[in-house]
Amino acid sequence: ILNVEQSPQSLHVQEGDSTNFTCSFPSSNFYALHWYRWETAKSPEALFVMTLNGDEKKKGRISATLNTKEGYSYLYIKGSQPEDSATYLCAFLETGANNLFFGTGTRLTVIP
Amino acid sequence: ETGVTQSPTHLIKTRGQQVTLRCSSQSGHNTVSWYQQALGQGPQFIFQYYREEENGRGNFPPRFSGLQFPNYSSELNVNALELDDSALYLCASSLGAGWADTQYFGPGTRLTVL
Repeated sequence: ILNVEQSPQSLHVQEGDSTNFTCSFPSSNFYALHWYRWETAKSPEALFVMTLNGDEKKKGRISATLNTKEGYSYLYIKGSQPEDSATYLCAFLETGANNLFFGTGTRLTVIP
Repeated sequence: ETGVTQSPTHLIKTRGQQVTLRCSSQSGHNTVSWYQQALGQGPQFIFQYYREEENGRGNFPPRFSGLQFPNYSSELNVNALELDDSALYLCASSLGAGWADTQYFGPGTRLTVL
């Protein structure tokens, strides 16, 4: 079982604030990293699949960066809105593996 | 648009019983993966099916089994239920067999074992 850690576990921000959180994973044998957003009572929604060191992906106000050498990915949300309130999950795939390892998520609450 | 559905939404069973959970993947998606999410944890991979064949399995005992059908539906069967099997069960479909493909999740089935 691989160790995929997300921090912080939860955070509250004011509407309009920008925020970021971290996904840490083993730095060896990297293949891919997934980010998902999971709103309460809904299905997890894919945000990004990242495969290249130094990759940066963007979707609206949400962006993510990837550092495979040091084993971390950051997810940024610019100008948080109440609808951004959700749990954000990352999942790591090791080379040659047939299994995604998920972190426990960061629960974001945006206060209007 | 995910288009992945799961049934039932909630289910209550007693220890020792058997349960079947169902998933309907997006049309054209050849791969389905099943996950178990216990309270306070991230989803844990149970197994994956690609074109009706098992294509990988996580650290779950043989009493967890599955089937995938040609109509893009699939089942997760759990025999001899234990209290620790209480969890949210998610399925996710993807177009190809590769794990770098985007996965589309269903809303999950909440199983409670008493």
